[in-house]
Amino acid sequence: AQSVTQPDIHITVSEGASLELRCNYSYGATPYLFWYVQSPGQGLQLLLKYFSGDTLVQGIKGFEAEFKRSQSSFNLRKPSVHWSDAAEYFCAVGAAPYSGGGADGLTFGKGTHLIIQP
Amino acid sequence: NAGVTQTPKFQVLKTGQSMTLQCAQDMNHEYMSWYRQDPGMGLRLIHYSVGAGITDQGEVPNGYNVSRSTTEDFPLRLLSAAPSQTSVYFCASSPQGNTIYFGEGSWLTVV
Repeated sequence: AQSVTQPDIHITVSEGASLELRCNYSYGATPYLFWYVQSPGQGLQLLLKYFSGDTLVQGIKGFEAEFKRSQSSFNLRKPSVHWSDAAEYFCAVGAAPYSGGGADGLTFGKGTHLIIQP
Repeated sequence: NAGVTQTPKFQVLKTGQSMTLQCAQDMNHEYMSWYRQDPGMGLRLIHYSVGAGITDQGEVPNGYNVSRSTTEDFPLRLLSAAPSQTSVYFCASSPQGNTIYFGEGSWLTVV
């Protein structure tokens, strides 16, 4: 069975500092990987996704993530965080070939809560 | 989250009551699903559908029923609510082989 581990429950970063959120997955075949962000009381917004090809993917809001097959990781990075980045971040893995919101759904990590210090 | 609409946004139920969470999408997506989100647990799949007339169970289906009579709608029914079903519920949809889009969530409290 597939699984996703986000080792850090909470991370505190100063505004303007760089950020890296860790995500490790377990899956028997080629994974389809996602990062979502959730602001308090809101739904989930897709930051970026990896299906195939270039292992460094760019997303919205200045985020990027790198897929490392040898490490089973898909870490999220941002060079300089803004106070508005404070939110909950979820890594998720989908079965391959990914069939969307129905047939296999997504397996989510438990999330990392990002706190931004002024 | 344009395109996936959930209602109601907030609901308080008494134990044993029934209710339906509505989900509608106007993007003609084949796949729809329901997740629940609990503190420290991430999101867990309840039920999903790969098209009209077809549904199946996810990771945590007990206590929930679904149906998919049309492509657009995928309601989630709680037949006899229990406090353990207090959660935030998210409906999602996607076209085949592509990104999932989530609704804005429904906050349910069972007392």
